[in-house]
Amino acid sequence: DVKVTQSSRYLVKRTGEKVFLECVQDMDHENMFWYRQDPGLGLRLIYFSYDVKMKEKGDIPEGYSVSREKKERFSLILESASTNQTSMYLCASSPGPRGQLAGSSYNEQFFGPGTRLTVL
Amino acid sequence: LAKTTQPISMDSYEGQEVNITCSHNNIATNDYITWYQQFPSQGPRFIIQGYKTKVTNEVASLFIPADRKSSTLSLPRVSLSDTAVYYCLVGDPYNTDKLIFGTGTRLQVFP
Repeated sequence: DVKVTQSSRYLVKRTGEKVFLECVQDMDHENMFWYRQDPGLGLRLIYFSYDVKMKEKGDIPEGYSVSREKKERFSLILESASTNQTSMYLCASSPGPRGQLAGSSYNEQFFGPGTRLTVL
Repeated sequence: LAKTTQPISMDSYEGQEVNITCSHNNIATNDYITWYQQFPSQGPRFIIQGYKTKVTNEVASLFIPADRKSSTLSLPRVSLSDTAVYYCLVGDPYNTDKLIFGTGTRLQVFP
């Protein structure tokens, strides 16, 4: 089974703090993603990475940065947390074309349990 | 990526069949239809994907008419544990790594 783990289930930070959210996957997937989920807005893509040290902006990258130094780990960084970044953060991974298993599509995403971040 | 429209919420009772319809009028030739399920306090998980006609697995069935402008996710004999949000996504899984999630359909199953 694919396992995607996130460093914390719940996190409380203060405005202006630097926040690191860590995500690790154990299936040697090429692609990793960070989303935020807010009531009434669904999941919105913040950043994704299709290879080590590679990243692309999603739909709402402002206020966030990411780091992917190793294939299995993808970090989301809030340089200076603000109250409007209070949200549920979800990490996901997908095999990508080189990692595709027979009979599956390479863009099926496997999600972690989420981190509920509150910024006070 | 084609836009999708699905009901905001649905209610059902245990043991009933539930059909959730998704509208995707601008679906492209290479697009597939994929459904994800999200339980409270968890990330979404893939449940089914199809291109045309009917696809069935151990969780659900997916019905896609010939014009592919809509699709229906069918959950047979739902139980309380099927209470979740169901997302319909449309896109080409062989040419894009990204998924676009809408707000989904919140299914509530009552005893």
